[in-house]
Amino acid sequence: DTGVSQNPRHKITKRGQNVTFRCDPISEHNRLYWYRQTLGQGPEFLTYFQNEAQLEKSRLLSDRFSAERPKGSFSTLEIQRTEQGDSAMYLCASSSPRRGPWQETQYFGPGTRLLVL
Amino acid sequence: AQSVTQLDSQVPVFEEAPVELRCNYSSSVSVYLFWYVQYPNQGLQLLLKYLSGSTLVESINGFEAEFNKSQTSFHLRKPSVHISDTAEYFCAVGPINTGTASKLTFGTGTRLQVTL
Repeated sequence: DTGVSQNPRHKITKRGQNVTFRCDPISEHNRLYWYRQTLGQGPEFLTYFQNEAQLEKSRLLSDRFSAERPKGSFSTLEIQRTEQGDSAMYLCASSSPRRGPWQETQYFGPGTRLLVL
Repeated sequence: AQSVTQLDSQVPVFEEAPVELRCNYSSSVSVYLFWYVQYPNQGLQLLLKYLSGSTLVESINGFEAEFNKSQTSFHLRKPSVHISDTAEYFCAVGPINTGTASKLTFGTGTRLQVTL
């Protein structure tokens, strides 16, 4: 169990550029979540996957955002035409396939900090 | 829908003193409760959780939290803090038995600052 990993850890981009982040969940975790955390706030839910299926998306996830989990393992989050308001920490979490309440314990990665200039 | 209120944005405390970080929640359904800790420029680490059973839960580094259903609270306590406990602490709730995965709702965080 190597934990949830995210790459890159930091990304600086210019407004209007596209960026893509990667998340590798804990091995065999079938649920994967994306959250966004802005300065001074708690994380806010963006979307989640069960295996390769994206089952829920927040209203925060505008049409410039797209997330994929093609093989049910790692996931990518892409932001197109970035805006300064997209600057935030993007956090990925995964949870166990075990049934019952243990499914609800989410383990977070270190995050990707995005700065849009 | 759920909401979480962390009443204190910052809590300064001297080393070896006790501390309590307050968390209240609102929910129309039963919830699981979590405390996460975030060190500077890092992701969230699970500190402790209440899923079921005993309402008093403990972490390996001396923190404890008690689930109080009637007061809808899940306050975090430590009898004696250390400098290394300086961090941001987030309370979170997730709904039980929604039929889908539990998206967590977080509070705005409490900054614990421990000084000598």
